[in-house]
Amino acid sequence: GAVVSQHPSRVICKSGTSVKIECRSLDFQATTMFWYRQFPKQSLMLMATSNEGSKATYEQGVEKDKFLINHASLTLSTLTVTSAHPEDSSFYICSASAMKQRGYYGYTFGSGTRLTVV
Amino acid sequence: GESVGLHLPTLSVQEGDNSIINCAYSNSASDYFIWYKQESGKGPQFIIDIRSNMDKRQGQRVTVLLNKTVKHLSLQIAATQPGDSAVYFCAEISGGSYIPTFGRGTSLIVHP
Repeated sequence: GAVVSQHPSRVICKSGTSVKIECRSLDFQATTMFWYRQFPKQSLMLMATSNEGSKATYEQGVEKDKFLINHASLTLSTLTVTSAHPEDSSFYICSASAMKQRGYYGYTFGSGTRLTVV
Repeated sequence: GESVGLHLPTLSVQEGDNSIINCAYSNSASDYFIWYKQESGKGPQFIIDIRSNMDKRQGQRVTVLLNKTVKHLSLQIAATQPGDSAVYFCAEISGGSYIPTFGRGTSLIVHP
């Protein structure tokens, strides 16, 4: 089955520093990758959608200069939280998609990254 | 793809009971639906999916029902086990957009 690897699973960083989160599709080529943010006891909030080789499309209210997304290949996307602040502390999850039969997409999630900014 | 940031409703059941988790979707043009299970501190895991040309699909201990008339989706879990305790999300996808839209989720608590 499709497997998506997300690293790191947990990271603690100091306020003002930057943190990079990686998302890799291990056994398939992902045409699109999605980045979500999730607050405790809430649903997934889509931050941005990225296609390989092109700029990410950010959802309204998400600062593109704050959350840098790079999708350099069909198997790797990275999210960099720049100049992190305590309010950026959250659970970040990636999802990779690839077309299945008859035009439908499969969506596979990574295991998530718990970011704590101190 | 826009998610609603509301607090999760909770369903509590006894071990061995059948569980029914409901989801109301918003877009009548949605033609593909997925149920995910998310355990604490982990990413969502695929459970079962259904296309709009079907109204029922069964998996191992799980059944998804789709009622397009009222835009309602349900997930039935037979003989619920403590390991089923998690948050369950439905996602809808329309043919015009490949971006999934997630429901608010339901927290399932299974008591031994």
